[in-house]
Amino acid sequence: EPEVTQTPSHQVTQMGQEVILRCVPISNHLYFYWYRQILGQKVEFLVSFYNNEISEKSEIFDDQFSVERPDGSNFTLKIRSTKLEDSAMYFCASSEGWGLLTDTQYFGPGTRLTVL
Amino acid sequence: LAKTTQPISMDSYEGQEVNITCSHNNIATNDYITWYQQFPSQGPRFIIQGYKTKVTNEVASLFIPADRKSSTLSLPRVSLSDTAVYYCLVGLGWGTNAGKSTFGDGTTLTVKP
Repeated sequence: EPEVTQTPSHQVTQMGQEVILRCVPISNHLYFYWYRQILGQKVEFLVSFYNNEISEKSEIFDDQFSVERPDGSNFTLKIRSTKLEDSAMYFCASSEGWGLLTDTQYFGPGTRLTVL
Repeated sequence: LAKTTQPISMDSYEGQEVNITCSHNNIATNDYITWYQQFPSQGPRFIIQGYKTKVTNEVASLFIPADRKSSTLSLPRVSLSDTAVYYCLVGLGWGTNAGKSTFGDGTTLTVKP
């Protein structure tokens, strides 16, 4: 069964550093998403991406965050200057469509980001 | 967006059937009901989606009454590995309102031996 993959599984960084989290969505999917989950808290939507541009973003997704699809397979989330409160599990997801029956989202295993 | 209400937690024993009910009183005409499962340190996983009546797949059944103001996820004969958080989401396909919708608190199901 096709799956979403994410690298690295765990990233440790110093406050103020830039990090790039990588995702490979399912190959025939057109819609891509990033979520985060702070330890013990809810899964929070960050951003959705389609046709090489952001479709929707949440209040969390401020100027420190950016997303990119640099080639035909990868989807990345960049945090420009990490803060302690960015420590969380980051999940990438993809879906085949935006429609009623085809937008089931498939999630990757997550990247645990620890900011020291 | 339709707000959903689920029990915070449920306990069950292996082999039992578990029913988790979600209330969504202000569900819109075009909204679908989708359930996800999340194990610790893993991403949410799609379980089942429905619009009305009953939907069944190899994992679960989803019961939706005629007024669609609630839905019940039914897990037959649970095992220890079904211990997870279960989320009910309501929307016009979840991704459409992704910018405004989010996972709620979910129901933490604990299956005991």
